[in-house]
Amino acid sequence: DTEVTQTPKHLVMGMTNKKSLKCEQHMGHRAMYWYKQKAKKPPELMFVYSYEKLSINESVPSRFSPECPNSSLLNLHLHALQPEDSALYLCASSQDPSAVWEQYFGPGTRLTVT
Amino acid sequence: LAKTTQPISMDSYEGQEVNITCSHNNIATNDYITWYQQFPSQGPRFIIQGYKTKVTNEVASLFIPADRKSSTLSLPRVSLSDTAVYYCLVGDEVNFNKFYFGSGTKLNVKP
Repeated sequence: DTEVTQTPKHLVMGMTNKKSLKCEQHMGHRAMYWYKQKAKKPPELMFVYSYEKLSINESVPSRFSPECPNSSLLNLHLHALQPEDSALYLCASSQDPSAVWEQYFGPGTRLTVT
Repeated sequence: LAKTTQPISMDSYEGQEVNITCSHNNIATNDYITWYQQFPSQGPRFIIQGYKTKVTNEVASLFIPADRKSSTLSLPRVSLSDTAVYYCLVGDEVNFNKFYFGSGTKLNVKP
């Protein structure tokens, strides 16, 4: 199984809502990542988890809160988002942090903030 | 960090070989060169990685000259389904927090 799954596929939320994005992999990978991708732009790294611990936060606003409950799951909790946060949110995993260059990406969650 | 420069877009026709070049003039000794492919509304997919000379897999070939200041991704006999954005990344596993995608090359394959 070389798949990273993400739910939901699409999400529309108001600026006062609280929602969560979910990512799951069963490849035994010990590094997981969140990216944000705006239309016609490359993915931008947001967070890196290494062995279930947050190792990188690329100065992401606190309205985005990541969580790694176990080695297979990664969540991104959203609160009080702004319309400019609308984007494709991608999750990825790699065998371990040193294998960062070969990441497996999920299909993404298309987020619209109204 | 080695900055990468790629053409914004390229056009090709089905059945042709496509070569996409990436420039990385300040590549470091320990850096590897990695290419990803991304279809619309999907996550990127790892294609190939190399350090020097030539690497080939079932999908593509990667050519790296001796000075390593550039690299060329070669896609043999492209089809319409190869229409995608191709990203070149340069770095090493020690600086894993610097896994940055460049601007990418949009390849349009025409019938």
